[in-house]
Amino acid sequence: EVQLLESGGDLVQPGGSLKLSCAASGLTFNNYAMSWVRQAPGKGLEWVSLISNSGGSTYYSDSVKGRFIISRDNSKKMVFLRLNNVSAEDTAIYFCAKDRRSNFNSFDLWGQGTMVVVSS
Amino acid sequence: QSALTQPASVSGFPEQSITISCAGSRSDVGGYNYVSWYQQHPGTAPKLMIYDVLNRPSGVSSRFSGSKSGNTASLTISGLQTEDEADYYCCSYTSNNTYLFGTGTKVTVL
Repeated sequence: EVQLLESGGDLVQPGGSLKLSCAASGLTFNNYAMSWVRQAPGKGLEWVSLISNSGGSTYYSDSVKGRFIISRDNSKKMVFLRLNNVSAEDTAIYFCAKDRRSNFNSFDLWGQGTMVVVSS
Repeated sequence: QSALTQPASVSGFPEQSITISCAGSRSDVGGYNYVSWYQQHPGTAPKLMIYDVLNRPSGVSSRFSGSKSGNTASLTISGLQTEDEADYYCCSYTSNNTYLFGTGTKVTVL
């Protein structure tokens, strides 16, 4: 079965760090770009970051640039998001999403999401 | 960069057609054919409904169609059904090498 499974969401204090993971199965992982998309409680979708299929290119939204780091391990079919210096505005469900192509196009497969709560 | 502009809500009776607009700029919707649409039911992950402005993934009903004119993209749902009641988001690639989502539209079947 083709699926994405996120993990790592937790309660973290403001200024703290957290690492999210996303495991892919049932697909040729290294053919596709991967993104993280988040959704704050009761709010809309917000794209966070994308990593190209090879991992050689990474892109970030302005709201997380300089604080979050996306990476991937194609041998393990996993993508990661390191969240640093978090604030309350980072509280959200974080979805892992597979792109249709090796770089920007659209998201044709989503995980179920992992919840990050930033609070003291 | 501000979100693409969508109406907050759209409603229709069963079997009617509705259209959701997604307004952007030449730097996103108007500049590229990488516009996609997502359906999200409460408590679930989004689902791709339209990609590259007007293409439907395998398994998505032909009642869903997409188009674009200038800086505005549109999603039309024909023959509205109760299971279409959900939130819908547009998304576009941008000239800044980012994705930009729309503000989201709640579709209600009356």
